[in-house]
Amino acid sequence: DAGVIQSPRHEVTEMGQEVTLRCKPISGHNSLFWYRQTMMRGLELLIYFNNNVPIDDSGMPEDRFSAKMPNASFSTLKIQPSEPRDSAVYFCASSLGGAGTGYGYTFGSGTRLTVV
Amino acid sequence: AQSVTQLDSQVPVFEEAPVELRCNYSSSVSVYLFWYVQYPNQGLQLLLKYLSGSTLVESINGFEAEFNKSQTSFHLRKPSVHISDTAEYFCAVGSGYSTLTFGKGTMLLVSP
Repeated sequence: DAGVIQSPRHEVTEMGQEVTLRCKPISGHNSLFWYRQTMMRGLELLIYFNNNVPIDDSGMPEDRFSAKMPNASFSTLKIQPSEPRDSAVYFCASSLGGAGTGYGYTFGSGTRLTVV
Repeated sequence: AQSVTQLDSQVPVFEEAPVELRCNYSSSVSVYLFWYVQYPNQGLQLLLKYLSGSTLVESINGFEAEFNKSQTSFHLRKPSVHISDTAEYFCAVGSGYSTLTFGKGTMLLVSP
């Protein structure tokens, strides 16, 4: 099992540009989560999908952020336009079962985003 | 609503010494409890979890955690730490349909 695969690992972009982060969950997992990690705010849940449907997007910071899951094996997180305060490590995680599953979540290696 | 408190943001310890990382939670329903470890520049990895049954759970690398319902705690312990245990450790609580709630993390710093 290849685990949760995220790309790119690092992204440096200029303020105002569009950024797209990608995630391939573990095959068979029906829940997918996007998190953001910063020193100041720690680990924040941005959005949660179950069976490709967004269930909870209350953590999405503002309209500049959007996430999609067109099928069970792919999800994207898009920031448009990007701002320096979006600089963070973005993690994707997947899980077998629902949000509160006893299986726990499997995390990807993250995408380190730097907006200059 | 559920919450997790990790009181210690950083725990320095010498190699081969014992360590305890504290985690307290609050929830109005039965919970699952997890400890995750994050090594530098990596994602979070599941270390161990409590679902039900025996209140003492162990990981493959010598860590253990004990679920204490009366004290609503799930502290992580290791009797003898190694330099390679240096990492950030996150406690998390889950229940029913709510997404896991993570603590703010405790940085374990092991020095020779």
